[in-house]
Amino acid sequence: DAGITQSPRHKVTETGTPVTLRCHQTENHRYMYWYRQDPGHGLRLIHYSYGVKDTDKGEVSDGYSVSRSKTEDFLLTLESATSSQTSVYFCAISEGFEQYFGPGTRLTVT
Amino acid sequence: AQKVTQAQTEISVVEKEDVTLDCVYETRDTTYYLFWYKQPPSGELVFLIRRNSFDEQNEISGRYSWNFQKSTSSFNFTITASQVVDSAVYFCALMIPYGGSQGNLIFGKGTKLSVKP
Repeated sequence: DAGITQSPRHKVTETGTPVTLRCHQTENHRYMYWYRQDPGHGLRLIHYSYGVKDTDKGEVSDGYSVSRSKTEDFLLTLESATSSQTSVYFCAISEGFEQYFGPGTRLTVT
Repeated sequence: AQKVTQAQTEISVVEKEDVTLDCVYETRDTTYYLFWYKQPPSGELVFLIRRNSFDEQNEISGRYSWNFQKSTSSFNFTITASQVVDSAVYFCALMIPYGGSQGNLIFGKGTKLSVKP
């Protein structure tokens, strides 16, 4: 158990509204990641962080922003949610060269 | 560019059969890591194995075994005497441990395994 929690676990929101997903870890890991999982695509990296206030874009970063003001929290924000952002979102931490995932957040944008 | 291909979208077997899940990767880097993850119907992602590019030894863990062949860029996963609890989606992934995207996982699209009693 890598001590990763995600909140909320499920969310339904309307197109155009802002949404923030939270990833929280308890073991002081430096690297944190946000992925999205969609049928037929596997998991794709959205953004990652390599320390407090240090973040970078992944493969599918358009429409998303992130922030990390504390080691333990990595926030993913959809500034104006669209239906194409309906997905399951996973947070991960890196321990050595192994990544461990949180339980996921299922987001539905109607 | 890096890429992971899992050509088998879905596999269905009967309990106690052996099954092999294929994974082919592409990278020009000489240092990399390969991974397998399991996603059961409950949805969480479970780490199964990590293998580095300099270690081509096969690995066995109980009913699970992995065959890494650099010559064919493959990292296949075999389940011996499958059980219903093995039903899940299995993902193969590649990581380049340095550079701009250091530590980011590149996933295949997954293989859904159904084991029927």
